[in-house]
Amino acid sequence: AQSVSQHNHHVILSEAASLELGCNYSYGGTVNLFWYVQYPGQHLQLLLKYFSGDPLVKGIKGFEAEFIKSKFSFNLRKPSVQWSDTAEYFCAVNGDSGGGADGLTFGKGTHLIIQP
Amino acid sequence: GAVVSQHPSWVICKSGTSVKIECRSLDFQATTMFWYRQFPKQSLMLMATSNEGSKATYEQGVEKDKFLINHASLTLSTLTVTSAHPEDSSFYICSAWGAGLTQYFGPGTRLTVL
Repeated sequence: AQSVSQHNHHVILSEAASLELGCNYSYGGTVNLFWYVQYPGQHLQLLLKYFSGDPLVKGIKGFEAEFIKSKFSFNLRKPSVQWSDTAEYFCAVNGDSGGGADGLTFGKGTHLIIQP
Repeated sequence: GAVVSQHPSWVICKSGTSVKIECRSLDFQATTMFWYRQFPKQSLMLMATSNEGSKATYEQGVEKDKFLINHASLTLSTLTVTSAHPEDSSFYICSAWGAGLTQYFGPGTRLTVL
């Protein structure tokens, strides 16, 4: 069975600080990897995704993530956070059986608070 | 683009009644939609995969007779919670598989069963 582990449940940073949120997954096969963000009162939005190719993936709003296959990790990074990045961040994975048509397995989420 | 809507956004019902939640892809067609459940301060759990014109596929532990899913068209999937009980109270979120091999999520429906 697939599983996703997010190491940090709550993170508090000051504006302009650098961010790295950890994500490890367990899956016996080729996977697709995603990071979603949920701003307060809003629905989940895709930040970035990895299917294949360059393991360093760039997403929206200055976020990037690196897929390290040997470590089963897909950590999310941003060099300088802003107050508007306050949100819940979810790492997710699905199997690569149908080009992304499988349901997602989510991590428990990381609640990020950026202090002005 | 790639907008998914849900209706209603919240619903309160009495124990024993049934509630229908609609999920629509507004600007794209989705042969596959998904239903998730999110408990307070927890992650999303996949309940079922809804395929247009065929029966839904339920995850292990999800009662198919309680959570009826109908994917009648390429833009609409419905989830009916039958004979709802307080333990069914939760946040139900749908997603649709769209362009770019990506799932696009709806805003969710808050169900409270009294």
